[in-house]
Amino acid sequence: DSGVTQTPKHLITATGQRVTLRCSPRSGDLSVYWYQQSLDQGLQFLIHYYNGEERAKGNILERFSAQQFPDLHSELNLSSLELGDSALYFCASSAYRGSTEAFFGQGTRLTVV
Amino acid sequence: AQSVTQLDSQVPVFEEAPVELRCNYSSSVSVYLFWYVQYPNQGLQLLLKYLSGSTLVKGINGFEAEFNKSQTSFHLRKPSVHISDTAEYFCAVSEGAAGNKLTFGGGTRVLVKP
Repeated sequence: DSGVTQTPKHLITATGQRVTLRCSPRSGDLSVYWYQQSLDQGLQFLIHYYNGEERAKGNILERFSAQQFPDLHSELNLSSLELGDSALYFCASSAYRGSTEAFFGQGTRLTVV
Repeated sequence: AQSVTQLDSQVPVFEEAPVELRCNYSSSVSVYLFWYVQYPNQGLQLLLKYLSGSTLVKGINGFEAEFNKSQTSFHLRKPSVHISDTAEYFCAVSEGAAGNKLTFGGGTRVLVKP
């Protein structure tokens, strides 16, 4: 158990809908990263938050947004969902920006039908 | 921009045989290198990491990797695999600082046969 909790584990929704994925980092970790794992794109970095502030953006679509709350949990919002958004979404956390290791949650599997 | 190439998408290997998973990276700045393992229906678990110092890095479950700066490689090895090593393995790099975002390779699926 990495200590990173993601909910829900599975999500099935229809095209055009909006969903929210939640991540609780390890206790005390300030950094949260979101990654998308899909068959065609592999594992891709989406966005990084540190202590509530956005620090880096990767290949994140404009339909997607994220935030990190004062209690350090993070949410990834996906809207106007398309079939191609079906993927495994991972959250990872690390203690601080210079930390040498990120701990990954078990992921949320999103299926868009 | 950094990139990571895992040369083999799938590696079948017999139990107790050695295995090597190849990883090459490209980057214009100093890098930190990682190998992660993903078991079926699980998240990613860190096997080992290279930050600095000795180029031979030992990790969990008997895995080791060697950083070769001139060849920009970070190949993963295990001298004798078990059935339980069946999983997907990802090489990753972060630039500038080890806590920065990770760029992953495409993954290598290892299938250990009895």
